Amino acid sequence: EVQLVESGGGLVQPGESLRLSCAASGFTFSNFWMHWVRQAPGKGLVWVSRINPDGSGTAYADSVKGRFTISRDNAKSMLYLQMHSLRTEDTALYYCIRDSFQLGTYYGMDVWGQGTTVTVSS
Amino acid sequence: DIILTQSPLSLPVTPGEPASISCKSSQSLLHSYGKTHLDWYLQKPGQSPQLLIHSISSRASGVPDRFSGSGSGTDFTLRISRVEAEDVGVYYCMQAPETPPYTFGQGTKLEIK
Repeated sequence: EVQLVESGGGLVQPGESLRLSCAASGFTFSNFWMHWVRQAPGKGLVWVSRINPDGSGTAYADSVKGRFTISRDNAKSMLYLQMHSLRTEDTALYYCIRDSFQLGTYYGMDVWGQGTTVTVSS
Repeated sequence: DIILTQSPLSLPVTPGEPASISCKSSQSLLHSYGKTHLDWYLQKPGQSPQLLIHSISSRASGVPDRFSGSGSGTDFTLRISRVEAEDVGVYYCMQAPETPPYTFGQGTKLEIK
């Protein structure tokens, strides 16, 4: 079964750091682009970051650029999001997502995890 | 950044009746290589979003054929030919650009009358 399982969320104070993890299974992780998308309580979806299959290319939303770092370990089928200088506005459910883009063809963001909750509050 | 504007934001529908959601982009979503990556996602209550439609009109695996997508350039539409109770939730359009950032519409909440 194709699956993404996020972990690492929690309650932190403003200015602190947190690292989210996403364990992938059921597919060849190293072949896929991966994303993080977040959803603040009661709000819509917001794209956060993307990484290419070999980890050499990354992109970020302006709101997190310079504070968040996306990375991956293909040997372990793991995706990460290192978050520094957290702000109250970073409070959200963070989803790990598989992007089905392969060999020049795009098929959508076809696999979503259940999300891990990050709460930034003093 | 590209802005996607959905309408309506709330959509009450009688079961068996059709429904449609509009997604308008602030600029053309046509990529330089001739593709348009405009997707539709459904977030059912208490669940993660799921892919319905990619690249304007291609249904994802397992999506019923009562769902269809259309459009081009800056105007896109998701249609449900006959709404069923299981279709309730929030529908989002999303554009996958050549160069990030990716953006989502605000979401349209479909409810059963």
